[in-house]
Amino acid sequence: NAGVMQNPRHLVRRRGQEARLRCSPVKGHSHVYWYRQLPEEGLKFMVYLQKENIIDESGMPKERFSAEFPKEGPSILRIQQVVRGDSAAYFCASSPPWGGGGYTFGSGTRLTVV
Amino acid sequence: DQQVKQNSPSLSVQEGRISILNCDYTNSMFDYFLWYKKYPAEGPTFLISISSIKDKNEDGRFTVFLNKSAKHLSLHIVPSQPGDSAVYFCAASASNTGKLIFGQGTTLQVKP
Repeated sequence: NAGVMQNPRHLVRRRGQEARLRCSPVKGHSHVYWYRQLPEEGLKFMVYLQKENIIDESGMPKERFSAEFPKEGPSILRIQQVVRGDSAAYFCASSPPWGGGGYTFGSGTRLTVV
Repeated sequence: DQQVKQNSPSLSVQEGRISILNCDYTNSMFDYFLWYKKYPAEGPTFLISISSIKDKNEDGRFTVFLNKSAKHLSLHIVPSQPGDSAVYFCAASASNTGKLIFGQGTTLQVKP
């Protein structure tokens, strides 16, 4: 499969639990981006990562949210102590080193906090 | 601060007619613009892009126009087909940042 793989597709967590969202980029892509889509809203940038580096995390909430893209394995978006307002669709995208051409998006993880 | 704006939340057109989706931006550092299409429960898929050195790019039924002085771009779909019904997102980037900034999206409905 040449696309961006996100799992799980659906995730239900109780308030206060932790949510871990995984993203495997397109083979050969070294850049990963996470976006969040709240109900009835557009895609909001959260974080931009390269292998072992966070390049831009200006869209990440200051608390409870973290992201990593290790040398080996998928990128992880981690949300600690989830609250109802974290319920959203989280999309991961990947790209080669920037030279135009756009991103390839995954199908998203739909997080529901109950 | 909404740097990329799609002011029309929805658009409805008849099959076979032209669909025109509009997008405005405020950041003069943006030099690359893209349109994405999104179906429910799926991720956005890349449709067409344009560099700031051009004012038009065409790919089959899809054409993107860029007016840099007005900070405005538009996507034309002609002829429109029912399968084009989806949410369309405009996005922009500055080459020194690498990240895409998206508009709020426009829901296009093409009626048979």
